[in-house]
Amino acid sequence: GEDVEQSLFLSVREGDSSVINCTYTDSSSTYLYWYKQEPGAGLQLLTYIFSNMDMKQDQRLTVLLNKKDKHLSLRIADTQTGDSAIYFCAESMNDYKLSFGAGTTVTVRA
Amino acid sequence: DTAVSQTPKYLVTQMGNDKSIKCEQNLGHDTMYWYKQDSKKFLKIMFSYNNKELIINETVPNRFSPKSPDKAHLNLHINSLELGDSAVYFCASSQNLRTGGEKLFFGSGTQLSVL
Repeated sequence: GEDVEQSLFLSVREGDSSVINCTYTDSSSTYLYWYKQEPGAGLQLLTYIFSNMDMKQDQRLTVLLNKKDKHLSLRIADTQTGDSAIYFCAESMNDYKLSFGAGTTVTVRA
Repeated sequence: DTAVSQTPKYLVTQMGNDKSIKCEQNLGHDTMYWYKQDSKKFLKIMFSYNNKELIINETVPNRFSPKSPDKAHLNLHINSLELGDSAVYFCASSQNLRTGGEKLFFGSGTQLSVL
């Protein structure tokens, strides 16, 4: 929502890296998340990072957190057609609920 | 087995009607949620329940009434439907109330169209 902003669209060639960016406003957020939504489905948690970390890597996914600038990014290496989806950034507000961004639609072209 | 299941998947109805969406989770989680996703994909929390107790109510019109008969079920009843209620409604659950580091498991959504 208003607290979490991300670019709306990203087009990437198959095999290239994708980078999805997100900015958030609450400096007290303890956890930041990336969720993936495929067409007609609910959101699935991809990865998350604790606020005292700068980076987290999980196979093809790399999350970078710049706490000073309140900037979060998700890098997908070797992007595949199955990575086409909407990616949501979210922050944990007071640990009781998540506040989501509007989602970045990633389109992978051959 | 579907972890979080909601029914119906599609709901088309006239303005002014009353409708319900049902949600069930078989994960043994304590906390359940309703989220609304509008046409621009913006996702906003509506309610959360922890062990059948209402925890979060995010300034949702009182035409929306959640009901949790037990901790595995959270239903959403909507009275006097309006055009602006058209959206996709997602049910979700998590192990505990505190969401830090824990997964939210989402249902596949109910697309509500109010004509």
